[in-house]
Amino acid sequence: DTEVTQTPKHLVMGMTNKKSLKCEQHMGHRAMYWYKQKAKKPPELMFVYSYEKLSINESVPSRFSPECPNSSLLNLHLHALQPEDSALYLCASSQYSGANVLTFGAGSRLTVL
Amino acid sequence: GQQLNQSPQSMFIQEGEDVSMNCTSSSIFNTWLWYKQDPGEGPVLLIALYKAGELTSNGRLTAQFGITRKDSFLNISASIPSDVGIYFCAGQGRGSQGNLIFGKGTKLSVKP
Repeated sequence: DTEVTQTPKHLVMGMTNKKSLKCEQHMGHRAMYWYKQKAKKPPELMFVYSYEKLSINESVPSRFSPECPNSSLLNLHLHALQPEDSALYLCASSQYSGANVLTFGAGSRLTVL
Repeated sequence: GQQLNQSPQSMFIQEGEDVSMNCTSSSIFNTWLWYKQDPGEGPVLLIALYKAGELTSNGRLTAQFGITRKDSFLNISASIPSDVGIYFCAGQGRGSQGNLIFGKGTKLSVKP
């Protein structure tokens, strides 16, 4: 299995809602990442988990809350988001943190109304 | 911080033409990667380069790791309609905690 699977593919939420994005990989990778991508821009790193521990938080607002329940799963909990948070959220994994080759999922397209 | 300059920003070409795009950096990178992203999808790795001067091919794609370690190019030969998409270079240096730095992307449009 060489895939990173993200659900849901599309999510529409109001500013008062609480929702979660999910990511799963079964490649035995020990590092997992959340990226945010706005239209026509490159992916921007949000969080890095290494061996299930948060190792990097790129000054992301607390309305985004990551969670790594085990080495295969990565969640991103969303609460009180703003319309400007609408974007494509990409999950990625790599063999280890700092490994250069990232495998990306197809992304979750988030729209905040 | 480290930044990548990717050019051109966009290209409109005729099917069958060759394409060239490049990335430059003001600092040294240890790895260069080239990804392609289709609309509504995540980036997919095309080619990974690990050594200065390295020239690597993947089908009609060829990429090189510049000798100075500050640049890389990607060539696509005999373009076809499915080459349409956004191509990102990404580099990994000693800084940035080893994480990838992405270029701003080259949007490729191919006219049949």
